[in-house]
Amino acid sequence: KAGVTQTPRYLIKTRGQQVTLSCSPISGHRSVSWYQQTPGQGLQFLFEYFSETQRNKGNFPGRFSGRQFSNSRSEMNVSTLELGDSALYLCASSPGQTLEKLFFGSGTQLSVL
Amino acid sequence: AQRVTQPEKLLSVFKGAPVELKCNYSYSGSPELFWYVQYSRQRLQLLLRHISRESIKGFTADLNKGETSFHLKKPFAQEEDSAMYYCALGIRDSSYKLIFGSGTRLLVRP
Repeated sequence: KAGVTQTPRYLIKTRGQQVTLSCSPISGHRSVSWYQQTPGQGLQFLFEYFSETQRNKGNFPGRFSGRQFSNSRSEMNVSTLELGDSALYLCASSPGQTLEKLFFGSGTQLSVL
Repeated sequence: AQRVTQPEKLLSVFKGAPVELKCNYSYSGSPELFWYVQYSRQRLQLLLRHISRESIKGFTADLNKGETSFHLKKPFAQEEDSAMYYCALGIRDSSYKLIFGSGTRLLVRP
């Protein structure tokens, strides 16, 4: 099976812009969750989607949003970018029925200048 | 509040020495604990989970509810164990999510 695929691998944006990140889960996995990874804060939960519905959301401002499509692919959007949004954004997939093992992608490294 | 604390940012040991990476959690419900590992240039991956009570790559971790800890241990460290280790707390509310600690970098020197 192909692993979790995240695109693009790297992004450079300027303050005020918006960005969309994409995640394709492992085939058959219906749950996709997003995490922000920074050296200072570590891994912080953003949100989780299952069957196109957001089931859970972390403590991030409304500028961070996401969605999931019928094929389980997910996108994450950040509007009005701030310097502090610079981070590695990780996507993880799982079958979604229980708290089982998460499979992570390689991440999208976002730099906001 | 739900929280995971890994007090050490860096743990440096010599090859063959015992290793213990500390993890403490705060959660009022029934905890599910995990250790994830990220080797250099590789993806974050599951190392072990407490309900499996297994040993992976020589690592074990025991859930101590009294001390709210889930420390990761290995009796004899190997150079290939050098990596970033994250302790994670599984939460069941509207769905399932993991709350990660800030991570501990393990450096095993020859």
